[in-house]
Amino acid sequence: DTEVTQTPKHLVMGMTNKKSLKCEQHMGHRAMYWYKQKAKKPPELMFVYSYEKLSINESVPSRFSPECPNSSLLNLHLHALQPEDSALYLCASSQEGEGYHQETQYFGPGTRLLVL
Amino acid sequence: KNEVEQSPQNLTAQEGEFITINCSYSVGISALHWLQQHPGGGIVSLFMLSSGKKKHGRLIATINIQEKHSSLHITASHPRDSAVYICAVAGNYQLIWGAGTKLIIKP
Repeated sequence: DTEVTQTPKHLVMGMTNKKSLKCEQHMGHRAMYWYKQKAKKPPELMFVYSYEKLSINESVPSRFSPECPNSSLLNLHLHALQPEDSALYLCASSQEGEGYHQETQYFGPGTRLLVL
Repeated sequence: KNEVEQSPQNLTAQEGEFITINCSYSVGISALHWLQQHPGGGIVSLFMLSSGKKKHGRLIATINIQEKHSSLHITASHPRDSAVYICAVAGNYQLIWGAGTKLIIKP
């Protein structure tokens, strides 16, 4: 199984809502990632979890809160988002995560988020 | 100047043509990635290379470390190859992404 799954595929939320994005992989990977991608731009790294511990937080606002309940699951909790947070949110995983930039990453299909 | 430059930004070609997408970078790297993103959004890693050449099906990736340049070639292009192709380099502690090349293959 070389698949990373993400739910939901689409999400519309108001600025006062609380929602969560979910990501799952069953490849035995120990590193998982959240990226944010705006239209016509490359993905921007948000968070890296390695062995279920947060190893990189790219100065992401606290309205985004990641959680890694176990090595197969990654959540992104959303609260009090702004319209400019509307984007495609991509999850990825890789073998180890130490030196993540030197590993092949496997991406999920993404969640397209619209904040009204 | 961006640390990773891709060219061309956009490329339209006819089915069957040989395609070349270029990536130049200005930083020291340990590896270079080529990725493909279809209009639906999903990203697929095509290659990771640190020297020489790799081939997978109709795709070939080359890298010249001395010249800080990599190319992605597609032979016998097909409409299903239409996608954005992104080059990303492994710098000191991070991935640095290029802006992508949008490829359209017409039947």
